[in-house]
Amino acid sequence: ETAVFQTPNYHVTQVGNEVSFNCKQTLGHDTMYWYKQDSKKLLKIMFSYNNKQLIVNETVPRRFSPQSSDKAHLNLRIKSVEPEDSAVYLCASSSGTGVETLYFGSGTRLTVL
Amino acid sequence: GEQVEQLPSILRVQEGSSASINCTYENSASNYFPWYKQEPGENPKLIIDIRSNMERKQTQGLIVLLDKKAKRFSLHITDTQPGDSAMYFCAASGEGNNNRIFFGDGTQLVVKP
Repeated sequence: ETAVFQTPNYHVTQVGNEVSFNCKQTLGHDTMYWYKQDSKKLLKIMFSYNNKQLIVNETVPRRFSPQSSDKAHLNLRIKSVEPEDSAVYLCASSSGTGVETLYFGSGTRLTVL
Repeated sequence: GEQVEQLPSILRVQEGSSASINCTYENSASNYFPWYKQEPGENPKLIIDIRSNMERKQTQGLIVLLDKKAKRFSLHITDTQPGDSAMYFCAASGEGNNNRIFFGDGTQLVVKP
């Protein structure tokens, strides 16, 4: 049962372009996250939103910016992508703020040529 | 922040044998320790978790142990099957970590038939 929806599934782009990824959760959760999973499968948190408020902003390049219209949506915009941005971007949600189960979306695989 | 060390990075076992993955954490205020399984091409999914008020938890062939004094927790898979082959991630979170979830670097489990 997929309750965290991400689009697109894949995106291939050139260095310097802007990309946007969308995420929506239908679980009624209060908190949403963006994780980056690199080629070594390491999971690194990028951002976290609780009820539209940014509560975690890990040290990521400034070209990354999260955008949330409501607690069910959390998008990610990358201005001027770099080759090292190639990764799988996983959106997740949880009912609480960290000490509850994370429900992940299927991910968006970004390839920067 | 929290540092979660996970070992081994790769674990190869024979079908039917047991597999153990170990994690350590630094922040004594961490109180929630989930384990996620990620199959190839899939998103991570919670398989079992344990909170700091417990030392042992078991479900469907999975056992997790928590040693708060040593800041160590582990996952034990009994009677492994080829379907258990996947990436496994441990994580730690809690109020002392500003409710952020910190993941270990993952263990690639390969169950040989």
